[in-house]
Amino acid sequence: NAGVTQTPKFQVLKTGQSMTLQCAQDMNHEYMSWYRQDPGMGLRLIHYSVGAGITDQGEVPNGYNVSRSTTEDFPLRLLSAAPSQTSVYFCASRETGGKRARHNSPLHFGNGTRLTVT
Amino acid sequence: AQKITQTQPGMFVQEKEAVTLDCTYDTSDPSYGLFWYKQPSSGEMIFLIYQGSYDQQNATEGRYSLNFQKARKSANLVISASQLGDSAMYFCAMREGPIQGAQKLVFGQGTRLTINP
Repeated sequence: NAGVTQTPKFQVLKTGQSMTLQCAQDMNHEYMSWYRQDPGMGLRLIHYSVGAGITDQGEVPNGYNVSRSTTEDFPLRLLSAAPSQTSVYFCASRETGGKRARHNSPLHFGNGTRLTVT
Repeated sequence: AQKITQTQPGMFVQEKEAVTLDCTYDTSDPSYGLFWYKQPSSGEMIFLIYQGSYDQQNATEGRYSLNFQKARKSANLVISASQLGDSAMYFCAMREGPIQGAQKLVFGQGTRLTINP
């Protein structure tokens, strides 16, 4: 199994450009999420999804859109990139076990995307 | 207010010594879970250990153990017999939310651990 796959690994954007960070998982996890990691601030939740067709906002959603059309994919869209969005982005998924949630199941992370906005 | 607080931005420890990384949390939910992750310089996030709020015993996984003090709302990670490969960033995280609903993980700021030879 590949686990959680993120593409691209690196990206440089100019202010105002748009792009989509891709995330796919092959573990049939219902829960998927996006975090950004900034120095001294840990990981902050941007958006998350508990299943296909269901998304919700995390702690820092502004400037980002998500959709979840399939269980496997959870893309993150930057509509108009800003220098404040320079960060490392992680996609993560976890097993929620259907009717019985797996309360101890950990997040499985992708390898991250390093985004620079100039 | 911070839900997860890691008060040690950096720690330096001699190889083979034990090390304790601090984590305090804030929640009013009686059901919650605490996770520790390791992030080496290569950048990936590696799950280490989990402690549930109803677990009667402290969690252990090899050289990792969790000193869970529920009344103090602390969940410190203890690494025994530290090795050079333990040098990394360590994150504490808390799962919050209803068991049957959306459960989010909230992360602390991290502690950078350096093991000296």
